[in-house]
Amino acid sequence: DAMVIQNPRYQVTQFGKPVTLSCSQTLNHNVMYWYQQKSSQAPKLLFHYYDKDFNNEADTPDNFQSRRPNTSFCFLDIRSPGLGDAAMYLCATSRAGGTGQPQHFGDGTRLSIL
Amino acid sequence: GQQLNQSPQSMFIQEGEDVSMNCTSSSIFNTWLWYKQDPGEGPVLLIALYKAGELTSNGRLTAQFGITRKDSFLNISASIPSDVGIYFCAGQGGRFGAGTRLTVKP
Repeated sequence: DAMVIQNPRYQVTQFGKPVTLSCSQTLNHNVMYWYQQKSSQAPKLLFHYYDKDFNNEADTPDNFQSRRPNTSFCFLDIRSPGLGDAAMYLCATSRAGGTGQPQHFGDGTRLSIL
Repeated sequence: GQQLNQSPQSMFIQEGEDVSMNCTSSSIFNTWLWYKQDPGEGPVLLIALYKAGELTSNGRLTAQFGITRKDSFLNISASIPSDVGIYFCAGQGGRFGAGTRLTVKP
């Protein structure tokens, strides 16, 4: 009965080779988030969707893009991954009501860059 | 942006001891959330706080929303080995504290 599912759990890509991470939810939540988490650090918000409205954080590099084709799915595209992009990427969802709502996280995709 | 300062960074305690950690913010928050993250997993919500002064418990965990709305604390009573993990505070805007890494020695 997993509610926020991220695929794959582990992803390896080459330096500069585009990669897409996926997230799906069965909670029917309006808001979906993408976070980057490096080792021993806090999750860092990259962007979020409120329904179809995309909200980018000011310091999110242009290299990171996102798509939300429907309520259930959200994708993170890294156009030209660099070595510094190796991290755990976490997807989360929440109900409407602002970004102070409790978030439900997936178990993340750990991205390695060769 | 809003700064969240979480302390302590890490704690090493004996099983059975009580634990306290806290977060402070540079600005007023409307929500305080406390999460726990186990290795290789996503954070899991422990307690959500919505009103200044609110004190909420979840089993052995108790959290409070500070009166000034700029701080919150989380207490764990009678710690057990499965309490091991990283505890994060969070506020609106998807902002997380740096985390408190808890180690419990049996």
